[in-house]
Amino acid sequence: GDSVTQMEGPVTLSEEAFLTINCTYTATGYPSLFWYVQYPGEGLQLLLKATKADDKGSNKGFEATYRKETTSFHLEKGSVQVSDSAVYFCALSPRSGGYQKVTFGTGTKLQVIP
Amino acid sequence: NAGVMQNPRHLVRRRGQEARLRCSPMKGHSHVYWYRQLPEEGLKFMVYLQKENIIDESGMPKERFSAEFPKEGPSILRIQQVVRGDSAAYFCASSPGQPEAFFGQGTRLTVV
Repeated sequence: GDSVTQMEGPVTLSEEAFLTINCTYTATGYPSLFWYVQYPGEGLQLLLKATKADDKGSNKGFEATYRKETTSFHLEKGSVQVSDSAVYFCALSPRSGGYQKVTFGTGTKLQVIP
Repeated sequence: NAGVMQNPRHLVRRRGQEARLRCSPMKGHSHVYWYRQLPEEGLKFMVYLQKENIIDESGMPKERFSAEFPKEGPSILRIQQVVRGDSAAYFCASSPGQPEAFFGQGTRLTVV
């Protein structure tokens, strides 16, 4: 079955540091890939997505590139802020079937310190 | 357009009581999904509903759990005779039918 593997957290960075959160996946076919962010006490918000190989999703300074050859979708940000402290979830959705088929990673907690 | 609304945000129940969690999808969305998030874990799919129909309940425990999405009103996730292990955050998401969904803020259930 489909699976998503994220690097374990927590990740602690100083403000303005470079962020990478690794995500690799296993899936048949060509899934869509997502990053969601969950701020404390809140629900998940879609951060960015990519629907085909070599697509780059970007939003709020975050980027991730769909790498089919390495089955990866690593999240990066050049300069993190305290307000980026949250839990980040990588997810995939197969081409066919509905959203119930979306598989989430276990999440990576990011803590940014001033 | 209001987002997905879940209530209550926090719910405390004693063991053996019933818990009812409500989810109002975004306007125009006819697909609703329920997920459970245990502490320090990712989201696990529970059930997928369209108006008046359960499409996929493969992630929902066979006993004590039920879900509905009536023609009028919110979707309801019902947990009967709650146990401590039911303590979790329950998230609802709605979709217009595309492979993308919008999440509510969740209901945090605590069983004491």
